[in-house]
Amino acid sequence: DAMVIQNPRYQVTQFGKPVTLSCSQTLNHNVMYWYQQKSSQAPKLLFHYYDKDFNNEADTPDNFQSRRPNTSFCFLDIRSPGLGDAAMYLCATSPGTDTQYFGPGTRLTVL
Amino acid sequence: AQSVTQPDIHITVSEGASLELRCNYSYGATPYLFWYVQSPGQGLQLLLKYFSGDTLVQGIKGFEAEFKRSQSSFNLRKPSVHWSDAAEYFCAVGTTGRRALTFGSGTRLQVQP
Repeated sequence: DAMVIQNPRYQVTQFGKPVTLSCSQTLNHNVMYWYQQKSSQAPKLLFHYYDKDFNNEADTPDNFQSRRPNTSFCFLDIRSPGLGDAAMYLCATSPGTDTQYFGPGTRLTVL
Repeated sequence: AQSVTQPDIHITVSEGASLELRCNYSYGATPYLFWYVQSPGQGLQLLLKYFSGDTLVQGIKGFEAEFKRSQSSFNLRKPSVHWSDAAEYFCAVGTTGRRALTFGSGTRLQVQP
């Protein structure tokens, strides 16, 4: 089945230790998104790619970076995770019609 | 800028009872409207969406939603709730020219036996 895949589902890192979260899609969608969702809150958009065009949200901290080496893959890099970065990270894709399709998420724990 | 309000943080209904979750949006033009459901520890699953046309939209799992322009609302309904419907529900709005969704704060649904 075509889908959005996130690996790993659970990630534990240490304070200040860089971490990379992975997202892949078999939907061949142009747009890929990264959201941060803290407990009992709405997802908050960090950034998105339209093809190779990177779009950063104004309030996304510099600590968060992203890479999209090809259509299928998109990575979220957190350069120096703090305790406040512990959250669920959601990847989504869209064919450009505004409907977004979400992966299962990666829950990040920062020790 | 667009915004979405879900007035009910938490709702409890009995299994078999009807359900209505409220969503109000703020946007100058006709928005794209979505309802997503999120089970604990999972991603968001699209229930239904409204882009244009018929204002009563049918979705998966027996859900429907009605777009009411005069009230700036897009309420989600289900005639008979099942225990498996217990989850967090998010309303979202998208707008032309911006490839991002604005989410409401969510409504957590509990279903009593």
